[in-house]
Parts: sequence; structure tokens; C-alpha cells
Amino acid sequence: SAVISQKPSRDICQRGTSLTIQCQVDSQVTMMFWYRQQPGQSLTLIATANQGSEATYESGFVIDKFPISRPNLTFSTLTVSNMSPEDSSIYLCSVEGVRGTEAFFGQGTRLTVV
Amino acid sequence: DAKTTQPPSMDCAEGRAANLPCNHSTISGNEYVYWYRQIHSQGPQYIIHGLKNNETNEMASLIITEDRKSSTLILPHATLRDTAVYYCIVREGFGNEKLTFGTGTRLTIIP
Repeated sequence: SAVISQKPSRDICQRGTSLTIQCQVDSQVTMMFWYRQQPGQSLTLIATANQGSEATYESGFVIDKFPISRPNLTFSTLTVSNMSPEDSSIYLCSVEGVRGTEAFFGQGTRLTVV
Repeated sequence: DAKTTQPPSMDCAEGRAANLPCNHSTISGNEYVYWYRQIHSQGPQYIIHGLKNNETNEMASLIITEDRKSSTLILPHATLRDTAVYYCIVREGFGNEKLTFGTGTRLTIIP
């Protein structure tokens, strides 16, 4: 299994500001995934982060709004930029297990924008 | 778009078997069926997966129809801690593949 630590677990932010979410994994992984879960909704993939290359964003998500860093094989950050109340969501990072058969998720970062 | 269809909600009495259906009529030959659940305020948790044979682990059983167009997740003796949203996902192969979540089934275990 993989143990994922996300920070912060929750935050309340002012509109127009930015928040950087950290994701630390206890083992080296090739890809890390960032998801968003809007209130009462399912999870939606934001982007896939490879170490040493630019993240790959899904339709509807852009780098200027959600810049991602992946400096090494155990760590990634997602920044939510110029926040508005519509960005209020839970943000989760995920990695694939060593066996490649299951994904592991962090506990999520609950973001509220006021 | 998600390739699966699930009922939005189900109830099950504590101690009984919970049977959660999933339709995936457009599944292709190399796609697996995965089940995850999300307990309130937590990240999703892997439960089980299968290709075409029935599978069982310590958490659940997965029954896949012969034509692979549908499946059923079975929690044999549901407890209150099994109350969660259950997601049925189809994905190709192993390793570093993104997950496309549908709306899932909200399972409530009734005391």
C-alpha cells in the first residue's frame, strides 16, 4: 500500500488569493493524480503529474489556474490560483500502488473560499 | 464521461448482504471493473477489481456477468461502517491509469 499525506487538511481562503496544497507519498511513484470533488459531487480528474515533465491537464482545467509542481518521485503540489467561491471543493491527490492494480488517495484538502 | 451506470442510492439492513449493481454495457475486452468506496470526509478506498471471473477478498465479492455488461458488488455482512458512496469504474489494464468516477451509489446501512 501507499500512504499519502496531504496538507493542509482544510482551509478557508479569501477570494482572489492562492492556496498551495502539498501531497507527500511514502514511496516513489511515477505518476500522481490530482482530483477535485465539488460539494455533493463525484471526483473529477484535474491533471496527471509526472516527475520531470509538465503536468497533463484534463479538459476544463488549465495550468494558469491550477499550476502543479512535481520536483521528485514522492512529492507534488497543486496551487489553486486567484480563487473564487466556485473553487470551494475537496482536492485529493492519488497514486497508483506498486502492483499497479489499485489507486490510493490522500484524505483530501477541504477548501472554502469566502 | 463515466462508462458505468449505478442506482443513486440503496439501503441495507445491518448484518444482511448488500448487493450493489453496476451496468457497463460498453466495456471493452481489455477493461477491468473496479470498485471503490468513499466514506464521508475521506478519500476513496479501493475494494476489489476483476476482468471476467468472479473475485473475492476480505472486503467483498465481485460477480461479473458472462457477457461482462454488468456486475454486482456484494458486501456479505454489512455493518454501519459500510455506509458510504460506492463507485463502479471501468478502466484499461494496469498501472498509472486515471480513474473516471461516475455518480456512484450511496449505500446506507440501517441499524
